[in-house]
Amino acid sequence: DAKTTQPPSMDCAEGRAANLPCNHSTISGNEYVYWYRQIHSQGPQYIIHGLKNNETNEMASLIITEDRKSSTLILPHATLRDTAVYYCIVRSNSGTYKYIFGTGTRLKVLA
Amino acid sequence: GAVVSQHPSWVICKSGTSVKIECRSLDFQATTMFWYRQFPKQSLMLMATSNEGSKATYEQGVEKDKFLINHASLTLSTLTVTSAHPEDSSFYICSARPPQGLQETQYFGPGTRLLVL
Repeated sequence: DAKTTQPPSMDCAEGRAANLPCNHSTISGNEYVYWYRQIHSQGPQYIIHGLKNNETNEMASLIITEDRKSSTLILPHATLRDTAVYYCIVRSNSGTYKYIFGTGTRLKVLA
Repeated sequence: GAVVSQHPSWVICKSGTSVKIECRSLDFQATTMFWYRQFPKQSLMLMATSNEGSKATYEQGVEKDKFLINHASLTLSTLTVTSAHPEDSSFYICSARPPQGLQETQYFGPGTRLLVL
């Protein structure tokens, strides 16, 4: 079963920051949080991941709460091309490191 | 960055035939590859984990005799849908994981759309 819950959909104005929340209240101490997005009819694209510290790369920032029970993906200046389904995944730390996808958040960036 | 390809990108076949889908990691060696299936407006569902040189591990409810997985090399895994039926029509996506370190991400292929008539 997926270990994450996300709002099913969100809208964001172009140029504004998009803040996508994720709840992972049952996360274990050595499990990482990964974010991917899927643009229509394509394979998922890696965005960012973290363990407990906040992370930033050229695409986004990841804010993880101190208790690690939730996180927020921030797209600082959303563009129309950021319209996609965003998945928050808690990665199993067992030998296979498999992902179990939840339902994700469908982000629509509005002009 | 890491690139994963799939072939074919789409396929149409008649009911009862078998279809093979290839997944290749182009610029890294992948000891582990994963196969997912996605129905319209739904999330990705993990079907199986494929380890190079050993038998695949299937998720609960996935028929291993229906979905044959072979991972014969560090850069190639294949999924064969045997005796395909219309209900097997779906978007099949593979991913590959580099072997180094615990943090390594999975890199996804572009997907293969299968339509069974």
